[in-house]
Amino acid sequence: EAGVAQSPRYKIIEKRQSVAFWCNPISGHATLYWYQQILGQGPKLLIQFQNNGVVDDSQLPKDRFSAERLKGVDSTLKIQPAKLEDSAVYLCASSLGGSGETQYFGPGTRLLVL
Amino acid sequence: QKEVEQDPGPLSVPEGAIVSLNCTYSNSAFQYFMWYRQYSRKGPELLMYTYSSGNKEDGRFTAQVDKSSKYISLFIRDSQPSDSATYLCAMKAGNQFYFGTGTSLTVIP
Repeated sequence: EAGVAQSPRYKIIEKRQSVAFWCNPISGHATLYWYQQILGQGPKLLIQFQNNGVVDDSQLPKDRFSAERLKGVDSTLKIQPAKLEDSAVYLCASSLGGSGETQYFGPGTRLLVL
Repeated sequence: QKEVEQDPGPLSVPEGAIVSLNCTYSNSAFQYFMWYRQYSRKGPELLMYTYSSGNKEDGRFTAQVDKSSKYISLFIRDSQPSDSATYLCAMKAGNQFYFGTGTSLTVIP
């Protein structure tokens, strides 16, 4: 069974630029999560989708971050414009059902904002 | 005050030792408690989860939850060099998941 795929693996941009991350969850997994993991910290949940609907986006900075999951499969997370404090690893995870106790994480996208 | 507190370590033990990793929390609404292992430059990998108070064992790993003390633990028996990683506790309330900062563990051969 293929795992959660993410791309790109690394990205370096300058502040005020925009950037997008892509995630392909495990086949058949209804729920998809985006996390931000700043160096030395645990992952912070940004947004959760069930199929193509948003379940929770209470911690998503909506003035600059946006996410979508068209057709209930792949998802993209966008930052526009980026700030220095957005430097982090962006992790995508998926789970079969909506409860989320068993989440499978991708390798993450490491973002550096200069 | 953070929702979840976890000592970052680092923790260094000899091979074969019993390792104890702990987290405390403040939110009484947490119902599910998870432990993840994260190797360097990889995504977290679920080790086990428990619901409410009690113990759960899976091979060399035992998870304990004490809701009265708002304290959870992960024990690793017969630790191996391959257990060297960062261990993250995580907790769920409603649709929200909260992670600790992680404890870095090194098992010395």
